[in-house]
Amino acid sequence: SQQGEEDPQALSIQEGENATMNCSYKTSINNLQWYRQNSGRGLVHLILIRSNEREKHSGRLRVTLDTSKKSSSLLITASRAADTASYFCATDSNTGKLIFGQGTTLQVKP
Amino acid sequence: GAVVSQHPSWVICKSGTSVKIECRSLDFQATTMFWYRQFPKQSLMLMATSNEGSKATYEQGVEKDKFLINHASLTLSTLTVTSAHPEDSSFYICSALDNQETQYFGPGTRLLVL
Repeated sequence: SQQGEEDPQALSIQEGENATMNCSYKTSINNLQWYRQNSGRGLVHLILIRSNEREKHSGRLRVTLDTSKKSSSLLITASRAADTASYFCATDSNTGKLIFGQGTTLQVKP
Repeated sequence: GAVVSQHPSWVICKSGTSVKIECRSLDFQATTMFWYRQFPKQSLMLMATSNEGSKATYEQGVEKDKFLINHASLTLSTLTVTSAHPEDSSFYICSALDNQETQYFGPGTRLLVL
């Protein structure tokens, strides 16, 4: 069964704008990971944030984690057309298994 | 980053035939691999955990006799869809777990059963 929800389900922005996606989950976790998937392709690992971390940066990506609210957000700054893809959060409850959220489809218009 | 390959990338078969999909970790050893299924415009659903040297662990609702998994070595896991039917048409993705808690995903295999 799916762990949680992501919102928005779809997001359309102009190039250069920031994109924020949110993820909520239901059970306690060991870590939360964000992945990107281009249409019809495999997943690309973006960033992993552990349960004892609150914020993490990687290039134009910023991830936050609030374990009290069981939620995480992914911020992509200064978006580019190449960022157009689906973004999924996935939680690991220390079993090694990843449970994926529903995903957010991001479209960045040039 | 680590590389995981899948073969074939796509396959079309007749209803009733069996299809084997391979998942390989190319530059690291993976004692654990995972198999997911993704229907159009949906998220990934975990099907099973493949463990090298032992039986696979299936998620609830996934038929183990329908989806045979063999983790033959530390770099290879195979998924065989037996007696495939049109409802088995989907995008099948594997992942391999490294020793740093990260799963690296293969490019996926698109299966179409006619």
